[in-house]
Amino acid sequence: NAGVTQTPKFQVLKTGQSMTLQCAQDMNHNSMYWYRQDPGMGLRLIYYSASEGTTDKGEVPNGYNVSRLNKREFSLRLESAAPSQTSVYFCASSQSHRDRGPTNEKLFFGSGTQLSVL
Amino acid sequence: DQQVKQNSPSLSVQEGRISILNCDYTNSMFDYFLWYKKYPAEGPTFLISISSIKDKNEDGRFTVFLNKSAKHLSLHIVPSQPGDSAVYFCAAMEYGNKLVFGAGTILRVKS
Repeated sequence: NAGVTQTPKFQVLKTGQSMTLQCAQDMNHNSMYWYRQDPGMGLRLIYYSASEGTTDKGEVPNGYNVSRLNKREFSLRLESAAPSQTSVYFCASSQSHRDRGPTNEKLFFGSGTQLSVL
Repeated sequence: DQQVKQNSPSLSVQEGRISILNCDYTNSMFDYFLWYKKYPAEGPTFLISISSIKDKNEDGRFTVFLNKSAKHLSLHIVPSQPGDSAVYFCAAMEYGNKLVFGAGTILRVKS
């Protein structure tokens, strides 16, 4: 059982380059999330998708776009990377009820993508 | 302004002793609290949670205590083991809203 799989594990970009981080979950979860982790800042929510077909901004959405391709897949795109986007990115999913929203938000995380923007 | 604060960046404990990790929050509307554990090069994994209607929840060696009046929760690990060495994130949520995470505390258990 793979759980949440995200690719790539490592990426180095030059300022201005674009890239897409891929995420897939096999737990039939409704909700999916993208977080970034920075030293001293904890995990901050970038975007989330409560259910297939919907996406919403989180705490730090600027410079990112997302696509909920289907129930399994949720991608994060950096259109023009900046050094401030150097971070570790985590995808997560949860079995939130599609209409009621989160109840007890037990998240399942992928193993992360270490992104460096030079 | 951080709504969830873990004021100790790191903690070092001897194997077999108790580890106490602390977390403070500012939003009185938070009604559910969770602890996640993270090993290097892995994603966080859920450890234990507590609802605001309780003041204690226990799961094996892990116990979470909630003091609503002080807006404080703590995670107790007894006895501590070297495999418990990890980063521990406190998180809180208000029903219908998203989780808010603390900055994390690095726990080192020395053998």
